[in-house]
Amino acid sequence: EDKVVQSPLSLVVHEGDTVTLNCSYEVTNFRSLLWYKQEKKAPTFLFMLTSSGIEKKSGRLSSILDKKELFSILNITATQTGDSAVYLCAVEAYAGNMLTFGGGTRLMVKP
Amino acid sequence: EAQVTQNPRYLITVTGKKLTVTCSQNMNHEYMSWYRQDPGLGLRQIYYSMNVEVTDKGDVPEGYKVSRKEKRNFPLILESPSPNQTSLYFCASSSTRDSHNYGYTFGSGTRLTVV
Repeated sequence: EDKVVQSPLSLVVHEGDTVTLNCSYEVTNFRSLLWYKQEKKAPTFLFMLTSSGIEKKSGRLSSILDKKELFSILNITATQTGDSAVYLCAVEAYAGNMLTFGGGTRLMVKP
Repeated sequence: EAQVTQNPRYLITVTGKKLTVTCSQNMNHEYMSWYRQDPGLGLRQIYYSMNVEVTDKGDVPEGYKVSRKEKRNFPLILESPSPNQTSLYFCASSSTRDSHNYGYTFGSGTRLTVV
């Protein structure tokens, strides 16, 4: 059974701090790993990672995948209160484009 | 605007009364999927569809049905809802050719309460 585990469960930081969110997975026929940000509505797409060692960046957010050790990290530098959200990691398998989600990390950024 | 539209956004219903949650996408995506999100359990896949008339079970299909008669629509049917189906539901779609660039697009969610 495919499995995705995120840590920590929740995190409280102050503005300007840097945070690292973790995602480990076990999946058969791995295709890609995706990161989403969920505020009080639908998850919004952040990154899709398919290759090990290649960092993806978007502003203050970056992510990298390690396919040997089966994990990914999402880094947010110089956090802002607008970064407060639940961050979801999902792994896509080749079989049926199935996405398996982790339980999410709830990030709260205090002013 | 490219989007996935779910209706209704909120629904309170009684046990056993059949209901349908609609999902429509305007991006000509082949792939569509339904998820439920529950506290502490994350998002779990209910059913997915690779294309018209092609559907398959996800992780938690019991108590649900789907159909894919047209590419744009993927309704979720609860024939006899029960209180354990109280949840937040999301529909998502993706192009099987471009999912590597754009990921999956989610609808705004349907909060269902079954009493």
